[in-house]
Amino acid sequence: GNSVTQTEGPVTLSEEAFLTINCTYTATGYPSLFWYVQYPGEGLQLLLKATKADDKGSNKGFEATYRKETTSFHLEKGSVQVSDSAVYFCALTYTNAGKSTFGDGTTLTVKP
Amino acid sequence: DVKVTQSSRYLVKRTGEKVFLECVQDMDHENMFWYRQDPGLGLRLIYFSYDVKMKEKGDIPEGYSVSREKKERFSLILESASTNQTSMYLCASWRGTGGPPSQHFGDGTRLSIL
Repeated sequence: GNSVTQTEGPVTLSEEAFLTINCTYTATGYPSLFWYVQYPGEGLQLLLKATKADDKGSNKGFEATYRKETTSFHLEKGSVQVSDSAVYFCALTYTNAGKSTFGDGTTLTVKP
Repeated sequence: DVKVTQSSRYLVKRTGEKVFLECVQDMDHENMFWYRQDPGLGLRLIYFSYDVKMKEKGDIPEGYSVSREKKERFSLILESASTNQTSMYLCASWRGTGGPPSQHFGDGTRLSIL
């Protein structure tokens, strides 16, 4: 079956540090890949996505590139802020149905 | 913007009760989902629906059922609540066509079974 593995948290960084959260997947065919963010007390929000190999998704300074050869979709940000503190989920989805497989989530805390 | 609304943010029920969690989306999406979220386990799919009156089991359907009588509404039912069903429940709808694909989530219902 499909699976998603991401960096085990919690991850704690100082403001302006570089962020990498790793995400690797196991899947058949050609899923789309997503990063979602969950702020305290809220549901998940789409952060960025990539629908095919070598696509780069980007939003709010975050980036991730769909690497089919390494089955990865690592999330990066050059300079994190306190407001980036949240839980981040990597997911793969077959877009004909929207059925998704999620990683376990990575809790990020950014300290001033 | 798509809005997915879950009827309750917090709910406390007793063991053995029949519990209804309601979810409504306002963008005419055909596909809707119910997940539960537990620490260290990510999101696990309970049930999903491709259309009115259609439903399919997800990865952990035991102890749950669903109802989709109207396109915009997808209800999760705990037939006889048990303490191991204490969790955060998230509803989502899926836009598969008419634009870039994306999944939209409600804010979640934190359910406690005593």
